[in-house]
Amino acid sequence: DGGITQSPKYLFRKEGQNVTLSCEQNLNHDAMYWYRQDPGQGLRLIYYSQIVNDFQKGDIAEGYSVSREKKESFPLTVTSAQKNPTAFYLCASRTQGGIQYFGAGTRLSVL
Amino acid sequence: DQQVKQNSPSLSVQEGRISILNCDYTNSMFDYFLWYKKYPAEGPTFLISISSIKDKNEDGRFTVFLNKSAKHLSLHIVPSQPGDSAVYFCAASGAGGFKTIFGAGTRLFVKA
Repeated sequence: DGGITQSPKYLFRKEGQNVTLSCEQNLNHDAMYWYRQDPGQGLRLIYYSQIVNDFQKGDIAEGYSVSREKKESFPLTVTSAQKNPTAFYLCASRTQGGIQYFGAGTRLSVL
Repeated sequence: DQQVKQNSPSLSVQEGRISILNCDYTNSMFDYFLWYKKYPAEGPTFLISISSIKDKNEDGRFTVFLNKSAKHLSLHIVPSQPGDSAVYFCAASGAGGFKTIFGAGTRLFVKA
């Protein structure tokens, strides 16, 4: 089945810890995205990548880092510098026509 | 600065009736608009889109209307079904742009 796979579904972070959220796609899309959703709010763009080995900051990139070493993979690291990491994180890839396909999300909580 | 606004946080509709979800945008450079549907604890799924060269696009029970002069679009669902109960996000992007701006979403309740 083609799609976006995010793992894990739930993740807990201790104080001062970096955690990495996985995102893999087999849709052969060039562009990939990371969004954050907080309760009652829309999707806010963290980082996006138009092509392998290239990525740009979104609107709320502080405290996050990404890499894009392979077309299929776009992992997001939530660093200890992100002071309010509790949220629902969504990864997406984009067709040439502009439609984004999303994964099922990772819910990150702080212990 | 919210470039895409969904001013109604929630909407309740009786099964079989029409649901109308509204969206306003401020950036006149947006030329492609999308609606996504999201169930709790899942990722959004694409529903329907419209290019700025059109003023209407229809797909089954779903129709999107675009009023460029008013910078307003709306999603009509007819007839509404209980399975349509979800959060609906309006989104917009510019010409060739890789960034898509999402609204805050409207939660639709369809009562049986």
